[in-house]
Amino acid sequence: DAGVTQSPTHLIKTRGQQVTLRCSPKSGHDTVSWYQQALGQGPQFIFQYYEEEERQRGNFPDRFSGHQFPNYSSELNVNALLLGDSALYLCASSSGGASYGYTFGSGTRLTVV
Amino acid sequence: KQEVTQIPAALSVPEGENLVLNCSFTDSAIYNLQWFRQDPGKGLTSLLLIQSSQREQTSGRLNASLDKSSGRSTLYIAASQPGDSATYLCAVRGYNAGKSTFGDGTTLTVKP
Repeated sequence: DAGVTQSPTHLIKTRGQQVTLRCSPKSGHDTVSWYQQALGQGPQFIFQYYEEEERQRGNFPDRFSGHQFPNYSSELNVNALLLGDSALYLCASSSGGASYGYTFGSGTRLTVV
Repeated sequence: KQEVTQIPAALSVPEGENLVLNCSFTDSAIYNLQWFRQDPGKGLTSLLLIQSSQREQTSGRLNASLDKSSGRSTLYIAASQPGDSATYLCAVRGYNAGKSTFGDGTTLTVKP
C-alpha cells in the first residue's frame, strides 16, 4: 500500500525563480494539504485541496499557489522565490471528514540561494 | 486562533525511563488531536490519533491522553529506547475539519 509520495526530495533554486513540488496521496485519500516547516519549528499550514478546489488557506502570500488533479494528486507552486522560502515542504493526505488523521509524505527540502 | 505549545522543547533521558511529553492548546473546540514522530530531515509518522470524544489511545509502549476542557494532551512513552530518539509533534484539528495546528515539538534523546 503506497503511502504519500512527494517529488523531488531535494531542490536548490535561485532567488526570483519559480518552483513546482508534487504530491501523490495515499491510495483511497481524496484530500491533500500542504505544510511548510522551517528548521526547528512545527509545520505551518499553506492550503488544502479537495475536489480540485482550494478549500482552506493559511497565512501565505499569493506567490504560493496549488492545484489538484482528477486523480487527487497535487502540485504546489511558488513564484518569485525568496531566501525565506527555504524549508521542508510537506504534503499530507486524508480521506473524507476530519475523523481520519493525516498521512504525511517524506517532504521536499527546498533551498533558495 | 488556535495556538499549540509543547513543553519541554528538548528532553534527554537514560534508556529504560518512562517519560511524558506535554501538549497544550488554547481553543478546546477541536475535532481531533494527532501525535507524530519526526526523524531529522524526514517526514512525519503518525503515532496516535485521538478523536474529541475520546480520552485516550494506546499503541504498544505509547499512550496518549486528551483533556479538552483543560486544553491538554500528554504522550506517555514507557520503557524508552535509543530508537525512540526523535522530535515528537502534536497537531490539533479544528471543527472546520480543515487545517491542523502544530506545536514546535519536543526533541527527545534517549541515551544507551
